Amino acid sequence: AQSVSQHNHHVILSEAASLELGCNYSYGGTVNLFWYVQYPGQHLQLLLKYFSGDPLVKGIKGFEAEFIKSKFSFNLRKPSVQWSDTAEYFCAVNPSIYGNNRLAFGKGNQVVVIP
Amino acid sequence: EAQVTQNPRYLITVTGKKLTVTCSQNMNHEYMSWYRQDPGLGLRQIYYSMNVEVTDKGDVPEGYKVSRKEKRNFPLILESPSPNQTSLYFCASRETGFTGANVLTFGAGSRLTVL
Repeated sequence: AQSVSQHNHHVILSEAASLELGCNYSYGGTVNLFWYVQYPGQHLQLLLKYFSGDPLVKGIKGFEAEFIKSKFSFNLRKPSVQWSDTAEYFCAVNPSIYGNNRLAFGKGNQVVVIP
Repeated sequence: EAQVTQNPRYLITVTGKKLTVTCSQNMNHEYMSWYRQDPGLGLRQIYYSMNVEVTDKGDVPEGYKVSRKEKRNFPLILESPSPNQTSLYFCASRETGFTGANVLTFGAGSRLTVL
């Protein structure tokens, strides 16, 4: 089945460590790609998005993501995390087969940053 | 303030007792959608609506109904709730067209428990 895969559901790291969260999808064709973040007790917010152009996209709060088409991946990175980055992170894919109507979400990465 | 408002935020009910979760947005968005979030499963789309009187099933529509009589409102109806519908529900909206492509604005969530 076509899907969005996020690995390492639970990630625990110390402040100032680097973070990389993997996202792989299995849809062919054109895709729009997103990372959403959900801070504890809050709703989802857009972290960054990729539609076209430069495959390295920068989002809010120092996050960036790289689209590698050949690997069907859109990994999220942050060089130095802070305690306030503790949250759940969701990768989402809008494949062209869905038109502009639907997003497929990954299962999420629960990230805990220890002060 | 641009927002998506859901009510109730928390609800405990019993099996078979009909309930409605309301969703309202003040951004004049054409597209609205309902998701449920379950631990380890991420977000799964229940229903979406492209415009007034236009709705379609998402990935997990069983046991739910929706209606879109007005542009701003998109209620989620559980005619006969069952315990497997215990979940955290999110409503979201966005503009249609490329500029709004799946950049969703989420509500704060409604936590539903069915006993």
